[in-house]
Amino acid sequence: RKEVEQDPGPFNVPEGATVAFNCTYSNSASQSFFWYRQDCRKEPKLLMSVYSSGNEDGRFTAQLNRASQYISLLIRDSKLSDSATYLCVVTLQGRRALTFGSGTRLQVQP
Amino acid sequence: EPEVTQTPSHQVTQMGQEVILRCVPISNHLYFYWYRQILGQKVEFLVSFYNNEISEKSEIFDDQFSVERPDGSNFTLKIRSTKLEDSAMYFCASSEVGDTNGYTFGSGTRLTVV
Repeated sequence: RKEVEQDPGPFNVPEGATVAFNCTYSNSASQSFFWYRQDCRKEPKLLMSVYSSGNEDGRFTAQLNRASQYISLLIRDSKLSDSATYLCVVTLQGRRALTFGSGTRLQVQP
Repeated sequence: EPEVTQTPSHQVTQMGQEVILRCVPISNHLYFYWYRQILGQKVEFLVSFYNNEISEKSEIFDDQFSVERPDGSNFTLKIRSTKLEDSAMYFCASSEVGDTNGYTFGSGTRLTVV
């Protein structure tokens, strides 16, 4: 079983749409959770951390369900510039190594 | 905004040759990392380095690989006797102590082994 599993997509949505991505992780000892964004052939960039209480940053909302080992990202009012691959990332307790999912590709269309 | 700088941006090498990938982490960061991403695959952790020693490494990071901080600013990844399957994008990253939120990745070195 993959450590971090994501639907690869692509998700093709029109501008202004709301889109949600999901991610599951296999190790219950996972401690920290993140969403990163990666543009084609570029480095990953931190989008937001994910907390148990849920957190929001502008048009982006992230949720964590530890019991189900499930993380989500919601993007409201999609922009063309949101087109990218969204990476679900976890760390294990006491470790600094990031474990990446394979990513979900989003294409926002005019 | 502070950056992690990687050189070269693209390196082509013959199978069996040694390569050194270079990185300049953010100056006040104390943790340094190497990750790789084979084309079309996920980003994979290789190694972390703190206080002049390896703090974590993955099973990918075998005897073929080594890391070094040769001076106060550079952090290098050496791959001895490269194989075709070492072709990938190699990302360097750095972070402050105690803050996994604070990872900053460099723009990567694309290594092509022919």
